[in-house]
Amino acid sequence: DVKVTQSSRYLVKRTGEKVFLECVQDMDHENMFWYRQDPGLGLRLIYFSYDVKMKEKGDIPEGYSVSREKKERFSLILESASTNQTSMYLCATRAPEKGMGRAFFGQGTRLTVV
Amino acid sequence: QQQVKQSPQSLIVQKGGISIINCAYENTAFDYFPWYQQFPGKGPALLIAIRPDVSEKKEGRFTISFNKSAKQFSLHIMDSQPGDSATYFCAASSSKSDSWGKFQFGAGTQVVVTP
Repeated sequence: DVKVTQSSRYLVKRTGEKVFLECVQDMDHENMFWYRQDPGLGLRLIYFSYDVKMKEKGDIPEGYSVSREKKERFSLILESASTNQTSMYLCATRAPEKGMGRAFFGQGTRLTVV
Repeated sequence: QQQVKQSPQSLIVQKGGISIINCAYENTAFDYFPWYQQFPGKGPALLIAIRPDVSEKKEGRFTISFNKSAKQFSLHIMDSQPGDSATYFCAASSSKSDSWGKFQFGAGTQVVVTP
């Protein structure tokens, strides 16, 4: 079974802090994604990466950056946390079957910015 | 704007009843349509998926119906059970090389099955 592990289940941070969310996968998948989940809005793509050191903006990248120094690890960085970034953050990988690979999600990190 | 529109936002169904969730899309490049199920405190997990070359796919009590001309697809949960209570997301992706394997997700439907 594919394992996608997010480093924290719950985080509470102060406004203006720099926040790191870490994600590690054990299946050697090339594609990795960061989504945020908000009620009524579903899952919205923040950033994704299709290879080490490669990254692409998703639909809502403002206020975020990412880092992928190793294939198995994809980090989401909130440069200066704000209260509107309070949300559930989900990391995912996607199996490589072209066009049909399923996504595997971590358990999520619930971030509260106060 | 959401590329995949999902309805209803929530649904209450009695045990043994049928739950129906609908999704619509605009991008004709989409060629893979999965449904994900999410329980509280967990990440979403793949439930069932369909490609547009078939109009229906069934796995156990779960069925996807797909209408290519209307650009709509739906999830039917037959004989709904309390253990089916979860949030369901439809999604779509394209196999074209410039999409990089991204999914577009619907807003989600919270399903509650009462005993």
